[in-house]
Amino acid sequence: NAGVTQTPKFRILKIGQSMTLQCTQDMNHNYMYWYRQDPGMGLKLIYYSVGAGITDKGEVPNGYNVSRSTTEDFPLRLELAAPSQTSVYFCASFPRGPNYEQYFGPGTRLTVT
Amino acid sequence: GQQVMQIPQYQHVQEGEDFTTYCNSSTTLSNIQWYKQRPGGHPVFLIQLVKSGEVKKQKRLTFQFGEAKKNSSLHITATQTTDVGTYFCAGPTTNKLIFGTGTLLAVQP
Repeated sequence: NAGVTQTPKFRILKIGQSMTLQCTQDMNHNYMYWYRQDPGMGLKLIYYSVGAGITDKGEVPNGYNVSRSTTEDFPLRLELAAPSQTSVYFCASFPRGPNYEQYFGPGTRLTVT
Repeated sequence: GQQVMQIPQYQHVQEGEDFTTYCNSSTTLSNIQWYKQRPGGHPVFLIQLVKSGEVKKQKRLTFQFGEAKKNSSLHITATQTTDVGTYFCAGPTTNKLIFGTGTLLAVQP
């Protein structure tokens, strides 16, 4: 199993541009999550999904959108990028919910200038 | 809402010294998980504690879950440079994990 994969690894965006961060897991996990981590800080939950077709907001959803059309994929869309969205973005998944180990992807480092 | 705090935020030790990080939840937890994030890396699961008062060991790492299931600790004996990183505790709530604020450990050779 490849686990949780994320693309791209790095990206530089100009203010106002849009992009989609890709996340795929091959473990058949229903629960998937997007976090952002600012330098030297903890993890903040952006959006999460408990199954295909179901998404919900986390702690910091403004400026982002998600969709979950398949069990495997959970893309994160940034519209009208702002410097405040400069961060490292991690995708993660659980097999059956938060009482189990969470698996993280390697992250996408995004800079907005 | 539910909060999970960790202290200290940062600790610098000499190699060979011990290290402890403490985790406190505002609510009772059904279990607590610990993760390690190496510099430039992603969080990696270390362990889960479920029972009140539980103690688990992984080589030089000792994890404890408080009797009231609201606090936990991670103790590293005789730190090594490979222990460098940020240690997060995390407690479950409905459909998600609440991560602690993290403790960054620096180890000087």
